[in-house]
Amino acid sequence: NAGVTQTPKFRILKIGQSMTLQCTQDMNHNYMYWYRQDPGMGLKLIYYSVGAGITDKGEVPNGYNVSRSTTEDFPLRLELAAPSQTSVYFCASRGDTEAFFGQGTRLTVV
Amino acid sequence: AQSVTQLGSHVSVSEGALVLLRCNYSSSVPPYLFWYVQYPNQGLQLLLKYTSAATLVKGINGFEAEFKKSETSFHLTKPSAHMSDAAEYFCAVRVQTGANNLFFGTGTRLTVIP
Repeated sequence: NAGVTQTPKFRILKIGQSMTLQCTQDMNHNYMYWYRQDPGMGLKLIYYSVGAGITDKGEVPNGYNVSRSTTEDFPLRLELAAPSQTSVYFCASRGDTEAFFGQGTRLTVV
Repeated sequence: AQSVTQLGSHVSVSEGALVLLRCNYSSSVPPYLFWYVQYPNQGLQLLLKYTSAATLVKGINGFEAEFKKSETSFHLTKPSAHMSDAAEYFCAVRVQTGANNLFFGTGTRLTVIP
């Protein structure tokens, strides 16, 4: 049972480059989320989706974009990477009550 | 709007001592409350959850938490700390209105001293 799978696990980007963080879940959950985790700040919500074709901004959406073409996949796009986007990114999906998290992507922008 | 405050970004306890991690929430409607644990370089794992049933909730690894509406608290406890409990712990809140999203506290890093 894979749960929530994120790729890649690590990535170094140069300023101005773009990339897509992949997230897939196999639990048929409608709700999916992207968070970023910075030291001492907890997890901040970037974007969320309540089902295929429906996405909305969270607390810190600037510099990111998402899409949700299927129930399973919820990719996060960084168009013009900036040093402020250096962080650990977590994808999650939620059933009736609890959320399940992926293992995270550690992104460094230099 | 809902929010979570975790008192103490770092807590140290001796092995075998009581663990107490504090969490206070703010919500205008009855909340769901969660404790998650994060081991180094890993994702978040659910420890326990409160979803408006019993106010004393038991979770994995001997942890439990009590929902106290009058104090707007959901503190996490464990009677006897083990070395393997060293990790970061996050309290989170969700309400069944609006965007229905999960909001996290800033986390508490637990150190267990041998």
